[in-house]
This record gives sequence, structure tokens and C-alpha cells, in this order.
Amino acid sequence: GAVVSQHPSWVICKSGTSVKIECRSLDFQATTMFWYRQFPKQSLMLMATSNEGSKATYEQGVEKDKFLINHASLTLSTLTVTSAHPEDSSFYICSARRGGGGPHADTQYFGPGTRLTVL
Amino acid sequence: DQQVKQNSPSLSVQEGRISILNCDYTNSMFDYFLWYKKYPAEGPTFLISISSIKDKNEDGRFTVFLNKSAKHLSLHIVPSQPGDSAVYFCAATTNSGNTPLVFGKGTRLSVIA
Repeated sequence: GAVVSQHPSWVICKSGTSVKIECRSLDFQATTMFWYRQFPKQSLMLMATSNEGSKATYEQGVEKDKFLINHASLTLSTLTVTSAHPEDSSFYICSARRGGGGPHADTQYFGPGTRLTVL
Repeated sequence: DQQVKQNSPSLSVQEGRISILNCDYTNSMFDYFLWYKKYPAEGPTFLISISSIKDKNEDGRFTVFLNKSAKHLSLHIVPSQPGDSAVYFCAATTNSGNTPLVFGKGTRLSVIA
């Protein structure tokens, strides 16, 4: 099956520091990667859509200067939370949309998530 | 405006019986639907999907039914097992381009032994 990894799985940082989260598709090339945020007992909230080699598209209300997204290759996207504050504490999940043909093309596969706690 | 709705926040089913999770959508442009299973503090796991050209797709214990005229889909799990206890998310998208998934709020399934 398709595997997506995230690193780190959890991180605790001080207020004002920046945190980088990596998302990798391990056994397929992802035409597009997505970044989500999940608050407790709520659904996944899409933050941005990331296409390899181009600028990310941010959803309304998401600060692009605060949540920097880089999609360097077809298997790697990074989310950097800059100058993190306690309200940024959340569970961040990436997904990778499988490209190419085949029965599972266009299906999104999710990473295991990253728990960010900002003190 | 919620385009994908899961009106039951929770569902309890006895082990061995059928679990039926429901999902409604409002956007007629959606033509590809997916179900994901999620445990706490983990990313969603893809379960099964269905294209709008079909009305049923089956994979082992999981079957998804799509009623386009009613804009309704359902996930059937039979027989239900305790390990199926999780939050199930319904998601919809268009099959063209790089359209993000639109998720429902999820239904928490508890399978009781």
C-alpha cells in the first residue's frame, strides 16, 4: 500500500521558535500534497495545497507567512511554523495525492500526523 | 456551509453485527468519494473509495454504496469487529485536477464485544 511518513511525530518548542515538519511519500510520487490541522474533537481543516515546484495555495484564514510550505520534490513537502505561539499547538497532518494511473490514482494517503506543543 | 455532512457523531454496534455509517453531500460537482478511518493521535487511514460512475464498491468487510440522486453514500462494515472502533470520515472531491478533499465531521464507531 501507499505509505506517507511525517517527521517528527511530536515536538515541544518554546514560544517564538520555528518548527519544521516533513512529509514524505515513501513508495509513490505525489502530484500534490496537502497540509491539514486537527483541533480536538473536530474534523480535519485544510490549511494549504502544495504542488511540486510551485507556490502553495493557502485556504482562507491561514497565514502564509506563518505557515511556510515548501514542496521540493515529488516525494517531499515541508511545513514550517514560524514564530510559533501556544495557539499554534495542534495536530498537523499531511496527505499525498497519488499521481499516475492505476486504480488508486488520485487517492490521498495520509501521514501519521505531528503533535506540536508550544510552551 | 458544510458540503459533506455526517449527521451521526457516534454509533455503537455489537460485535458481529453490521455497522452502517452515513454521509450526505450537497455539491453536485463531487464525483469521487472516500472513507477514512482514524484512531486518536494518528493520521487517517484510507479504507475504500467510489467513483460516481458506480453505485457500489466492495473490499472485504467494507462496502460503500452511492446514491447520486439523493447525494448520499454509506459505508457498511460486516461483520463488525472491536478493532473497527475508531472515527470514520467521509470525504468528497472532484476527480479532475488537484482538488482537495472535503471532509465530514466524522462518526465515532464503537464496536462492543
